[in-house]
Amino acid sequence: KAGVTQTPRYLIKTRGQQVTLSCSPISGHRSVSWYQQTPGQGLQFLFEYFSETQRNKGNFPGRFSGRQFSNSRSEMNVSTLELGDSALYLCASNYYNEQFFGPGTRLTVL
Amino acid sequence: KNEVEQSPQNLTAQEGEFITINCSYSVGISALHWLQQHPGGGIVSLFMLSSGKKKHGRLIATINIQEKHSSLHITASHPRDSAVYICAVPQETSGSRLTFGEGTQLTVNP
Repeated sequence: KAGVTQTPRYLIKTRGQQVTLSCSPISGHRSVSWYQQTPGQGLQFLFEYFSETQRNKGNFPGRFSGRQFSNSRSEMNVSTLELGDSALYLCASNYYNEQFFGPGTRLTVL
Repeated sequence: KNEVEQSPQNLTAQEGEFITINCSYSVGISALHWLQQHPGGGIVSLFMLSSGKKKHGRLIATINIQEKHSSLHITASHPRDSAVYICAVPQETSGSRLTFGEGTQLTVNP
């Protein structure tokens, strides 16, 4: 079985721009969680999608949004980028409380 | 909110030494995760356990639900074990939403 894939792996944007990150879960997994990792805050939960519905949301501003498609692929979007959004964004493919992490997308905001 | 505390934050060992990393959490949980993160950023799930002990190769994870405490042990440590080890617990109402400890940076010298 293929693992979790995330694209792109690296991204450089400037303040004010928006960005879309993609995550393809393991085949058959219907739940995807997104996390942000920064040196200062560590790993923090962004949101979780299950069967195209947002099931849980972390404490992030509305600039952070996501969606899930019928094939379980998920995207997250960050609008009006700020310097503090520079981070590693990880998605996890969930199956009965087990989480399988993707390699992450490293976003740098200049 | 479930707080997760890990110790130590940093650990340096000589090859062959026995390693212990500790994790404490504040509220009841259904399971606890131990994760490994290498410098490239990717996270690998090592264990998910809800009681007792699990072993995989040189890694052993234990959990004491009553004391809200878990330990990760590495026997006969090797330089390739150098990584950040993170414990994580699920939210009571959502197994797919994890709260993470700050991580333990392990360096094993040859």
